[in-house]
Amino acid sequence: AAGVIQSPRHLIKEKRETATLKCYPIPRHDTVYWYQQGPGQDPQFLISFYEKMQSDKGSIPDRFSAQQFSDYHSELNMSSLELGDSALYFCASSSRQRRGTQYFGPGTRLTVL
Amino acid sequence: SQQGEEDPQALSIQEGENATMNCSYKTSINNLQWYRQNSGRGLVHLILIRSNEREKHSGRLRVTLDTSKKSSSLLITASRAADTASYFCATARGAGNTPLVFGKGTRLSVIA
Repeated sequence: AAGVIQSPRHLIKEKRETATLKCYPIPRHDTVYWYQQGPGQDPQFLISFYEKMQSDKGSIPDRFSAQQFSDYHSELNMSSLELGDSALYFCASSSRQRRGTQYFGPGTRLTVL
Repeated sequence: SQQGEEDPQALSIQEGENATMNCSYKTSINNLQWYRQNSGRGLVHLILIRSNEREKHSGRLRVTLDTSKKSSSLLITASRAADTASYFCATARGAGNTPLVFGKGTRLSVIA
């Protein structure tokens, strides 16, 4: 079965640079979520989109923005990167038919030097 | 963590033994889910239990939910070395597509 696809899998950036993470949800899933997991931490919700509209907002810094496109893929844009942004970034998707169950992608490991 | 604590933080058992992990949460919920994460990898959905359910089974997994105590437990029976991973509980406030709030996780090591 198709799973959530994230790219790139690994990304290394310098401080103050920008980064764009991409997420391709499972086909026919209508909601996309972004989570951040710091080293040794639990995942923290950043932002979500339902049918291409922002639906919930969590602890997403103002330096980050995200959107969902007409083909349902989503991008997380991160600017003025800081050392503390180094983390695993997960995208998850869910559908109406299986309300509540979120399927996670493999994650993008971002390292800020 | 925004959610609460998972107990224990780390657990080491022999292959074939049972492993029990507990999770507490703070707010009212619609459902609680358990996820597994192998080191530095993605989160794999294990099981979802709704607030009106008390117990649920899936293969070697048994989940209980006590909404009066705001707690849940995950039991893995007859553990295998391949069960070695971190296990997280996550709660959802609503029935729809709402964000998950994760607990801190339990690191399980199963020794062959």
